[in-house]
Order: sequence, then C-alpha cells, then structure tokens
Amino acid sequence: LAKTTQPISMDSYEGQEVNITCSHNNIATNDYITWYQQFPSQGPRFIIQGYKTKVTNEVASLFIPADRKSSTLSLPRVSLSDTAVYYCLVGDTGRRALTFGSGTRLQVQP
Amino acid sequence: EPEVTQTPSHQVTQMGQEVILRCVPISNHLYFYWYRQILGQKVEFLVSFYNNEISEKSEIFDDQFSVERPDGSNFTLKIRSTKLEDSAMYFCASSGARGSYEQYFGPGTRLTVT
Repeated sequence: LAKTTQPISMDSYEGQEVNITCSHNNIATNDYITWYQQFPSQGPRFIIQGYKTKVTNEVASLFIPADRKSSTLSLPRVSLSDTAVYYCLVGDTGRRALTFGSGTRLQVQP
Repeated sequence: EPEVTQTPSHQVTQMGQEVILRCVPISNHLYFYWYRQILGQKVEFLVSFYNNEISEKSEIFDDQFSVERPDGSNFTLKIRSTKLEDSAMYFCASSGARGSYEQYFGPGTRLTVT
C-alpha cells in the first residue's frame, strides 16, 4: 500500500471550510484514495472515495490532481461535531485490509 | 440505515482467560473484518474473512486468535489466552461489493485484560 503523509493536527472555527491534504507520492495505477473519520471511542466511518479529479457527496469533497500524488479532503462549513480524526488511505480496491496511519486530528472551536 | 453491531460494549477479563467478541455484520455483506485500536494508537488490521475462510491476516493475528461465522448472522473473534497487551478497542467491520473500499465499522468492544 502507498505510504501517506498528512498533517498531525489542524484547528478551525465553526462555519469555516477545512481542507486536509494528504500526500501519496507512490500511489499505484490501481489505487483508490479513501478518507475515513473517527470520533473518540467509535469505529472509523467512511467519508468519501475517489480515483481522480473531483468527487463530492453530502458530507465532503475530494480533490485529486492529475498526477494523483496528493489529495485534499474538503469539509464545507464545519461544526463542532466535525471534531474528529481524519484518515487518508490509499490502496488497490482488490486489497481487503485497510491500513490506517495516524490521521489528522481536527479540532473545531466555537 | 443498516449498521454493524457488536457485543459486549465492554469486556473485562483476567489474563489467561478466553474471550469471545461478537459482531453482527450488515445482513447482505459478504466480507468481514476485525481491527483493533490500543488506546492512543492507530487502528490496526487483524483479519478479513470471506466465504467462510480467512482471506487475509496480519502479524498480530497469531495462534491465540481465531474467527468464526457460526451462523448466517454472527461473526466472532476469539482470543484463547488473553494477555495484558490485548487490552484494546476491537472493531468489527463488513463490506458488500467486491473491490469496494467502503467498510462499515461497528461501535467496538473495549477489552480490558487485568
């Protein structure tokens, strides 16, 4: 699986847009980029997945440049409830195991 | 919305005892997983299960661990002789579509070994 690098922590305020960037220089052709969210004492929760360009759902947007060596998770107008750890995962859809890194701890302040 | 459930939510056991953690995956899912997270550390993959057999396992999943799908709904993780270092949050997950990276996680079982 491709190694990923993301900031350890980020701070934001309610109502702001938050962008979390993940670097994955060694991404392979078959690899997808997936983001999960984890609240304290809960299991990770799937947020969004993409292969290239832009993907948007009701929760977030995922921007992937043409070289796919990085990706940006965008959370519009965050609220206090978005305080969580966000994980960027990169891998072949044929692989079953998810490999979590340390993630980005997002703290949203009022 | 369908969800993965796990029981118990908290299990306390003495070192050397056997524990069984239970999970009910989402009903039409075919792939099942166990992960664990030691307090303050990363989520670690243990094992995946498909078609009634283990499809992948990590180095953590040694002979002390076993998994079973005893009926059409439950998926269990057994630790034969618990150690202090087995204390962690254990998450069950399931996924449906082949090749899908979207896994649905349960709320976890907090295992405390004393």
